[in-house]
Amino acid sequence: DVKVTQSSRYLVKRTGEKVFLECVQDMDHENMFWYRQDPGLGLRLIYFSYDVKMKEKGDIPEGYSVSREKKERFSLILESASTNQTSMYLCASSLGLQETQYFGPGTRLLVL
Amino acid sequence: QKEVEQDPGPLSVPEGAIVSLNCTYSNSAFQYFMWYRQYSRKGPELLMYTYSSGNKEDGRFTAQVDKSSKYISLFIRDSQPSDSATYLCAMTTGSGDKLTFGTGTRLAVRP
Repeated sequence: DVKVTQSSRYLVKRTGEKVFLECVQDMDHENMFWYRQDPGLGLRLIYFSYDVKMKEKGDIPEGYSVSREKKERFSLILESASTNQTSMYLCASSLGLQETQYFGPGTRLLVL
Repeated sequence: QKEVEQDPGPLSVPEGAIVSLNCTYSNSAFQYFMWYRQYSRKGPELLMYTYSSGNKEDGRFTAQVDKSSKYISLFIRDSQPSDSATYLCAMTTGSGDKLTFGTGTRLAVRP
């Protein structure tokens, strides 16, 4: 079974803090994704990575950056957290870019 | 207009009812269709995967694709309270593009 884990289930941060969200997958998948999910807006792609050290912007990359130093690990960084980044953050991985994505349990981030 | 449209609900049905969840799409190149189920405060999990047109059945769940109408459906027979979740459709052309997700329909099955 594919397993995608995320470093935290719940996080509370203050405005202006730097925030790191980490995702690890154990299936040797090439592709990894970061989404945020908000009521009424569905899943919105922030960034994805198709290989180690490779990344591409998704639909809403502003205010975020990512890092993929190892194949199994994909980090999302909020350089200076703002209240409008309060959301549910979901990580996913897939073997091929167009193949089934497997999701982690999500991180609920609250920025005060 | 969004590429994939899905009624957000909520849809509330009594236990035992047949549920129909639907998505419409605009890109006729979509070939692969998926349904994910997401329980509250959890990540989405793959429920059904179909290719091109036709039906696929798995237990109480049936996925249906009508490419001529650009319409996909997920039917749940004998719905249970444990089916209460948000259901997201997803699709791709299969030509190297990422999945495109619907916004999800929230389903509540009343005991």
